[in-house]
Amino acid sequence: GENVEQHPSTLSVQEGDSAVIKCTYSDSASNYFPWYKQELGKGPQLIIDIRSNVGEKKDQRIAVTLNKTAKHFSLHITETQPEDSAVYFCAGDSNYQLIWGAGTKLIIKP
Amino acid sequence: KAGVTQTPRYLIKTRGQQVTLSCSPISGHRSVSWYQQTPGQGLQFLFEYFSETQRNKGNFPGRFSGRQFSNSRSEMNVSTLELGDSALYLCASSLGQGWQETQYFGPGTRLLVL
Repeated sequence: GENVEQHPSTLSVQEGDSAVIKCTYSDSASNYFPWYKQELGKGPQLIIDIRSNVGEKKDQRIAVTLNKTAKHFSLHITETQPEDSAVYFCAGDSNYQLIWGAGTKLIIKP
Repeated sequence: KAGVTQTPRYLIKTRGQQVTLSCSPISGHRSVSWYQQTPGQGLQFLFEYFSETQRNKGNFPGRFSGRQFSNSRSEMNVSTLELGDSALYLCASSLGQGWQETQYFGPGTRLLVL
C-alpha cells in the first residue's frame, strides 16, 4: 500500500539551532503534504502544509520544501525554542485519505 | 469557537467487550475522520464521514465501525475488543475534504484493553 517514511525518529538539537525532518512518499499522485505538531496530552495541530504546485513555503521560523521528482519533502525549523519540543508528523494524501509518517520526537536542549 | 471534543477521555475495558467513543466536531464542520494512534506507528486512518455518509475507510477489520448524525457529531464503535486495540483514538473535523485541508483534532480517547 501507499507509504510515508519519516526520519529521524528522534532529533535532539541545541536551543537556537535549526532542525530538519525528512519524509518520503510512494504515491506519485499525492498532492497535499501537511505537517502536524503534537504536544503531550493533545491532539495533533497543523503547523504548515504544501501542495504539489509549490516547491517551498515559509511561515516565520518554519519552512517546508517539496521535491516531487524525488518524492520527498522536509520540515525546517530555524532558531529553535523550548516550545518547539513535541512530536512532529508528516503526511501525504493518497486515495482520499492522509497517510502519516511514524513521527519525529524533537527535543530542544537548553 | 469551541474545538473538537471527544468523550470519554479515558476508558478501560476487557477483552471481548465492546466500546463506543464520541466526537463533536467544530461547529460548521461536516467532515469527521477517525484515527488510531499507537506508539511508534503514527496515525492510522480508520474512516471518514461526511454528511452522515462514510466516505472512505482504512484497513481495519469490520469490528471497527462508525456513524455520523445529522448535527455532524460522530461515534465509533469497536466490538469484541482485543488487547491490540489499546491505543489513543483521535477524531478530527474539517470543513469538507479531510484529506486535502486542515484537520482539527480533538484530544483523543485513550482506550486500554485488559
